[in-house]
Amino acid sequence: DIVMTQSPGSLAVSLGERATINCKSSQSLLYSSDNKNYLAWYQQKPGQPPKLLIYWASTRESGVPDRFSGSGSGTDFTLTVNSLQAEDVAVYYCQQYYNTPRTFGQGTKVEIK
Amino acid sequence: QVQLVESGGGVVQPGRSLRLSCVASGFIFSNYGMHWVRQAPGKGLEWVAIIWYDGSNKYYADSVRGRFTISRDNSKNTLYLQMNSLRVEDTAVYYCARERDSFNDYWGLGTLVTVSS
Repeated sequence: DIVMTQSPGSLAVSLGERATINCKSSQSLLYSSDNKNYLAWYQQKPGQPPKLLIYWASTRESGVPDRFSGSGSGTDFTLTVNSLQAEDVAVYYCQQYYNTPRTFGQGTKVEIK
Repeated sequence: QVQLVESGGGVVQPGRSLRLSCVASGFIFSNYGMHWVRQAPGKGLEWVAIIWYDGSNKYYADSVRGRFTISRDNSKNTLYLQMNSLRVEDTAVYYCARERDSFNDYWGLGTLVTVSS
């Protein structure tokens, strides 16, 4: 199974500042046949289901604010939230969909400092 | 708009069975693979199972293989999860999620399963 490791486990960021979350996979998520990274990011607010933010490591889902961005390739990925807003308080998960079983990172809790 | 509505959760004793349902609307259900993902109280997300759009292939997490069965009825726009031999560690909110290009773009609100004596 592919192991997904997120860091940090939690972080506190001031309103308007940047939050950076890292995700590392135990094997490459770059599929050679299509040159795509099979990595997604989800946001989960308390009492709500996860919401898709980013897929193919860097493609923003429709309707997601452009302050959310994803980057990285192979085994190392980053989710960046620029100019953090109060509504961005949530737990963020990375997930690989390169193969089955799908696996998630353990989550990163983002709070306001 | 896309909607996924889970039901069937509840409190059940260890060793007993439960069947979850997920009714889909707002899209052509028979065109999409579907997943179950669970979340134990206060914990992270754990993928449970996937079924292809036509039901021809199914895959499971090691933790549930042999005890859980995923199925679908495309004529009823409904996804199922039959859970047998339930264990305390199966206690979780169970989400159904649609698959688009292998990732999950829509999720239901979830249904809570509590396994306790």
